[in-house]
Amino acid sequence: QSALTQPASVSGSPGQSITISCTGTSSDVGVYNYVSWFQQHPGKAPKVLISDVTQRPSGISNRFSGSKSGNTASLTISGLQAEDEADYYCNSYTTSGTWVFGGGTKVTVL
Amino acid sequence: EVQLVESGGGLVQPGGSLRLSCAASGLRFEGYWMHWVRQSPGKGLVWVSRIKTDGSATYYADSVKGRFTISRDNAKNTLYLQMNSLRAEDTAVYYCARDRPTWDWGQGTLVTVS
Repeated sequence: QSALTQPASVSGSPGQSITISCTGTSSDVGVYNYVSWFQQHPGKAPKVLISDVTQRPSGISNRFSGSKSGNTASLTISGLQAEDEADYYCNSYTTSGTWVFGGGTKVTVL
Repeated sequence: EVQLVESGGGLVQPGGSLRLSCAASGLRFEGYWMHWVRQSPGKGLVWVSRIKTDGSATYYADSVKGRFTISRDNAKNTLYLQMNSLRAEDTAVYYCARDRPTWDWGQGTLVTVS
């Protein structure tokens, strides 16, 4: 049950696009389309941004989009805004019937 | 509106036990798998356990297997996590969450093992 691999930090200027990667294995990300992305501001509970690789829940800005290729999923934030500064986590279902999270990525808006 | 409210956290000595609860409202509780996820101070999210709609299937992270037990009472719309043989590394905020695709979360309850 090793954590999915995410970059520790990503930064960008307002208006730019950034992409956060989430690398797993053929036992999790690579085999199921059950990858989700979460945003967490300090002291707050996580909030889902993307479910099932590409699905954006109602109320989530279309500036957030998800994709997957092989064992790596990605979250793209376009038109970066100051309020996007937060921690971001991916998770995936696994062949063991468990779930696993990524280590998290801190996004900084320059 | 879906609400998940955790309770039962607190300070416990190593080797002790604690039972967390998660009261659900605004959803058909019995229709969803439910999860526990924890976050140690300053660290990332870690999946802990999940339970099937009727409680007939449960799964655990290796780090808690044999020590923690997840359960639910659909009549009371409540999820539980019984934590035994607690260790310092179990110190964390514990969140309950509704399964994909909605992934609703509670606000968490802090467990301190010291």
